[in-house]
Amino acid sequence: GEDVEQSLFLSVREGDSSVINCTYTDSSSTYLYWYKQEPGAGLQLLTYIFSNMDMKQDQRLTVLLNKKDKHLSLRIADTQTGDSAIYFCAERGAGGGADGLTFGKGTHLIIQP
Amino acid sequence: DTGVSQDPRHKITKRGQNVTFRCDPISEHNRLYWYRQTLGQGPEFLTYFQNEAQLEKSRLLSDRFSAERPKGSFSTLEIQRTEQGDSAMYLCASSLDRYYEQYFGPGTRLTVT
Repeated sequence: GEDVEQSLFLSVREGDSSVINCTYTDSSSTYLYWYKQEPGAGLQLLTYIFSNMDMKQDQRLTVLLNKKDKHLSLRIADTQTGDSAIYFCAERGAGGGADGLTFGKGTHLIIQP
Repeated sequence: DTGVSQDPRHKITKRGQNVTFRCDPISEHNRLYWYRQTLGQGPEFLTYFQNEAQLEKSRLLSDRFSAERPKGSFSTLEIQRTEQGDSAMYLCASSLDRYYEQYFGPGTRLTVT
């Protein structure tokens, strides 16, 4: 079945780059997403990448996709205290009935001053 | 338009009671999704609607759960005979159509005592 894996915690210093990694098992994934969740809040869509791309950049965010290894990463440049949150990787299957997103357990990003 | 809204934001109920949650999607979004998120986990897909038609239900959606979207706009999720294991954050998301990104609401936190 489908599975999305992420490491649970990442600690970085303010001003450094953060790299959050994700692996997935569904080779038919069409879109892969990164969402941010702050305490007590819903999920905020940060960015997404289509499976025929290998990189996407949006201001401080860079998404890299290695389809062969089924590995997705999110790089946040110049990490700020406001970036402290849980980051979820999610994938969407190739269609048929699989239109719901499958999420990882989330990576807690901790910013050190 | 201010995004996806959910009501109530918090609900405390006693075991065995019925509860109903409401979700208002972004205007003109055809698709509406329900997810459940328990502590320390990513959201898990429950069901989704294309306009008023419920097109997919996950195995997580037991017989005690029912969802409707009668006019293709807002949706309700009802849980009958609540159990302590139903305690979770219930998230709603909407998208313009099938291949568009999903935007989440703030969630309804349910506590069953």
